[in-house]
Amino acid sequence: KNEVEQSPQNLTAQEGEFITINCSYSVGISALHWLQQHPGGGIVSLFMLSSGKKKHGRLIATINIQEKHSSLHITASHPRDSAVYICAVNDYKLSFGAGTTVTVRA
Amino acid sequence: GAVVSQHPSRVICKSGTSVKIECRSLDFQATTMFWYRQFPKQSLMLMATSNEGSKATYEQGVEKDKFLINHASLTLSTLTVTSAHPEDSSFYICSAATGTGYNQPQHFGDGTRLSIL
Repeated sequence: KNEVEQSPQNLTAQEGEFITINCSYSVGISALHWLQQHPGGGIVSLFMLSSGKKKHGRLIATINIQEKHSSLHITASHPRDSAVYICAVNDYKLSFGAGTTVTVRA
Repeated sequence: GAVVSQHPSRVICKSGTSVKIECRSLDFQATTMFWYRQFPKQSLMLMATSNEGSKATYEQGVEKDKFLINHASLTLSTLTVTSAHPEDSSFYICSAATGTGYNQPQHFGDGTRLSIL
């Protein structure tokens, strides 16, 4: 079973700040997902990556396969970024991290 | 694109009732659909994987007679919680993918919050 650990568990930032969320896993994978879950429960898939770096708007995701580590960065954070961010890894099924609750204050 | 619609969004019902949750891919064909369960403050747990036209594959500890999954078409999968009890109260969420296996993007529904009284 792949152990997926996220840090921090909770994060509070002021609007405009740069935010980083980390994810590490224990077993080699084929791909890693970053998901965003809003208070109502709905989930949006932000990124799926297997190497390097991806960027979408103010979001950047990186992965280091050798170190079994990924980061999600939010630049110029905004209150609408407040959500739970979940890391999930592919081995033979998706294994999920516990999530990072991000609160961005205006 | 890649919209997944899940219905209903919330269900409150009495113990012993069976509840059906639908998951539809609106603008793509979903060869594979996944059903997850999430307890408060916990992460998602995969319940089962269904491929169109075949029986669902259930994760260890998930009762297949309790959680009936049907994936009759490339755009619809249903999860029926049979004879629901209060311990079945949870947040259920589906996702859909265009191919088989896990090595591809999954598109999630908005989830169904099930409360059994």
